[in-house]
Amino acid sequence: DQQVKQNSPSLSVQEGRISILNCDYTNSMFDYFLWYKKYPAEGPTFLISISSIKDKNEDGRFTVFLNKSAKHLSLHIVPSQPGDSAVYFCAASAGGGTSYGKLTFGQGTILTVHP
Amino acid sequence: GAGVSQSPSNKVTEKGKDVELRCDPISGHTALYWYRQSLGQGLEFLIYFQGNSAPDKSGLPSDRFSAERTGESVSTLTIQRTQQEDSAVYLCASSREQALNEKLFFGSGTQLSVL
Repeated sequence: DQQVKQNSPSLSVQEGRISILNCDYTNSMFDYFLWYKKYPAEGPTFLISISSIKDKNEDGRFTVFLNKSAKHLSLHIVPSQPGDSAVYFCAASAGGGTSYGKLTFGQGTILTVHP
Repeated sequence: GAGVSQSPSNKVTEKGKDVELRCDPISGHTALYWYRQSLGQGLEFLIYFQGNSAPDKSGLPSDRFSAERTGESVSTLTIQRTQQEDSAVYLCASSREQALNEKLFFGSGTQLSVL
């Protein structure tokens, strides 16, 4: 039962253009969403997050959008840079309190940004 | 070092043997988590420790898996009688506490291969 899904295994984008990574979830109890970035042979690193009380959060080139009615979130990277090439994981947590670190992850999307 | 440290980085073992994986969290981080990533899958929550509270073991896949943590420092994940399906990257993460907006900092993981 995949509660968090990233349906695109890979995405290829030209440098300077926008990268849009998508994520869908099924559990309506999820109230906090995160994106992590992973380079080969390294652990995932936190990128950006959003609480379910918001529909948008921005941090520099990175913006996360949340559509609760559609149970969908997306990560926009503008402009994309070759250094952004990595695997991007969407994650979610439910119930607050003692559950914030207990994350459910998607399968990941490999982003390749071409110079 | 300043980050989460895991050892060994790679472990090859024979089916049926026991293995121990070690995690050194960031100093001062009270929360510690174990996840695993099987090939082509997202990260799967296994267990977390928060201070002196009882650990949340709800993600452990079978009773062959166990974990311990000494105070707020080192943790070991033990897999007894390993099976081929245990082959995965085992990731440890820590955070200052378990609360909203607290980022998880991941180690580089232990690649476990069960032959």
